Amino acid sequence: EVQLVQSGAEVRKPGESLKISCKASGYSFTNYWIGWVRQMPGKGLDWMGMMHPGESDTRYSRSFQGQVTISADKSISTAYLQWSSLKASDTAVYYCARRRNVFGELALDYWGQGTPVTVSS
Amino acid sequence: DIQMTQSPSSLSASVGDRVTITCRASQSISRYINWYQQKPGKAPNLLIYAASSLQSGVPSRFSGSGSGTDFTLTITSLQPEDFATYYCQHSYSPFNFGQGTKLEIK
Repeated sequence: EVQLVQSGAEVRKPGESLKISCKASGYSFTNYWIGWVRQMPGKGLDWMGMMHPGESDTRYSRSFQGQVTISADKSISTAYLQWSSLKASDTAVYYCARRRNVFGELALDYWGQGTPVTVSS
Repeated sequence: DIQMTQSPSSLSASVGDRVTITCRASQSISRYINWYQQKPGKAPNLLIYAASSLQSGVPSRFSGSGSGTDFTLTITSLQPEDFATYYCQHSYSPFNFGQGTKLEIK
């Protein structure tokens, strides 16, 4: 059974750093892209970027380039999303999701449960 | 980047109704669009991929159509569990989502 299990809720102050995780199981971690999606309170879904753990290739949405870092540790089948200096506007729920590619048809077919991040002084 | 515009932003309907949600792309995207359902406090769930293919396990009352720039998600015979928010998504990088359509009980 494919599962993506994310780390728990976080509370940080502005300017602090943070790294959240997404542990994959039930499939070959190095064969699929893993993406991250932001959902600010009461708002829609924002695509942040994705990484292919097997090829160490990372792609960022223009809005998030330079604001976050996406990485992965193949040895433990875990993807990460990190900030070096958080802002109050980073308060949101962050989801990881697996990108499936079936004969060129791409979709986010499995999702983590979400990690709420609160940034407040 | 290709922008995805959904309409309406909210919709009221009753159990048993047929509803249609529209998504328009800022330029032609062939059939590279997916649809997701999200319930409060939960992760999104893939319903339709490649414009009209039903994801495994999704009830057949959900269907998708369209190509080029105009797409629709149709739900026939609404069930109580269908009241949620629906998002379209361009299925090629950078995978932009529409702004969502909240389907509420009338």
